[in-house]
Amino acid sequence: DVKVTQSSRYLVKRTGEKVFLECVQDMDHENMFWYRQDPGLGLRLIYFSYDVKMKEKGDIPEGYSVSREKKERFSLILESASTNQTSMYLCASSGLTGTGELFFGEGSRLTVL
Amino acid sequence: QKEVEQDPGPLSVPEGAIVSLNCTYSNSAFQYFMWYRQYSRKGPELLMYTYSSGNKEDGRFTAQVDKSSKYISLFIRDSQPSDSATYLCASNTDKLIFGTGTRLQVFP
Repeated sequence: DVKVTQSSRYLVKRTGEKVFLECVQDMDHENMFWYRQDPGLGLRLIYFSYDVKMKEKGDIPEGYSVSREKKERFSLILESASTNQTSMYLCASSGLTGTGELFFGEGSRLTVL
Repeated sequence: QKEVEQDPGPLSVPEGAIVSLNCTYSNSAFQYFMWYRQYSRKGPELLMYTYSSGNKEDGRFTAQVDKSSKYISLFIRDSQPSDSATYLCASNTDKLIFGTGTRLQVFP
């Protein structure tokens, strides 16, 4: 089975802190994604990557950056966390482009105080 | 207008009921239509996907797409308490667009 592992399930950070969210997949997938999920707003795409060292902005990239140094690892970085970044963050991977078959991790619940 | 619209619910039904979950979409270019299921405190998992119009059946689940009315449906027959989850519809062109999800509660 495909496994997408997010290193932290729950984090509490203070405003202004730098936050790293790590995601690793074990199926040699080319494509990786970061979403945030908020009540009433659904899943919103932050960044995605179709290859190592490649990244593309999604719908809400402001305040975030990403890093993909290895194929299996995709990191989301909050340079200076703010309270409006309190959310559930979901990482996903896909080996097929265009069909929408994403495999998600269990999520990282971030609270920024 | 959101590209994929979904009633948030919650929808509460007794065990054994037939459940109908629905979405509408606005982009005529959408070709793939997906349903994801998300249990509480878990990530979404792909339940079914269909390409273009028509029906697709998998056990107790049937996915239906009507491209003429831009309507996506998921039917669950003989619903079980284990079906209690949030169901997300999604579709895509170059990227996946999700509905906001419908929370379903099946009570014994």
